[in-house]
Amino acid sequence: EPEVTQTPSHQVTQMGQEVILRCVPISNHLYFYWYRQILGQKVEFLVSFYNNEISEKSEIFDDQFSVERPDGSNFTLKIRSTKLEDSAMYFCAGKKEGYNEQFFGPGTRLTVL
Amino acid sequence: AQSVTQPDIHITVSEGASLELRCNYSYGATPYLFWYVQSPGQGLQLLLKYFSGDTLVQGIKGFEAEFKRSQSSFNLRKPSVHWSDAAEYFCAVVLITGGGNKLTFGTGTQLKVEL
Repeated sequence: EPEVTQTPSHQVTQMGQEVILRCVPISNHLYFYWYRQILGQKVEFLVSFYNNEISEKSEIFDDQFSVERPDGSNFTLKIRSTKLEDSAMYFCAGKKEGYNEQFFGPGTRLTVL
Repeated sequence: AQSVTQPDIHITVSEGASLELRCNYSYGATPYLFWYVQSPGQGLQLLLKYFSGDTLVQGIKGFEAEFKRSQSSFNLRKPSVHWSDAAEYFCAVVLITGGGNKLTFGTGTQLKVEL
């Protein structure tokens, strides 16, 4: 059964550095999402992406964040200048047109030192 | 304000006992409702969902949930818990109209199973 995959599984970076988190959604999914979960807290929506543009973003998704789907396959989340408070688990999700179920990847644990 | 509430942060049950995890939502319209499970170090796995129709829905791993419009609730149940059910459980909603397709999660309930 197809799955959403994410790389890397764990990323450690220094504060101020740029990171790119990668997701490979299920091939027939058209809507894509990024969520994050700070340790011990609930899962929070960051951004949704459809038809090569952002359809909705949260207050968390400020100018240091960006998303793109450069090659029609990978869906990436870039954090330009990481801060300590960006340390979290980042989940990618996708869904098909006409459906409401989102399928999640295993997550990338980002640690900012 | 729109919200999803899971009143129980931690629940401990004995293996073989029944389980009910509570979820309440506060939205103007009826949302789509989901339960996800997260095992330690793992991603989010969909247990079940409710969109419309029969208010008692069956999911994977023997779980079921009942939508009660009058109580704005979508409680998750299992008649007999297994040790492997120990995990964190999240209730989540998607607004049918006006809220886009983003999932809004509750704070989660950590389930511990005693052998």
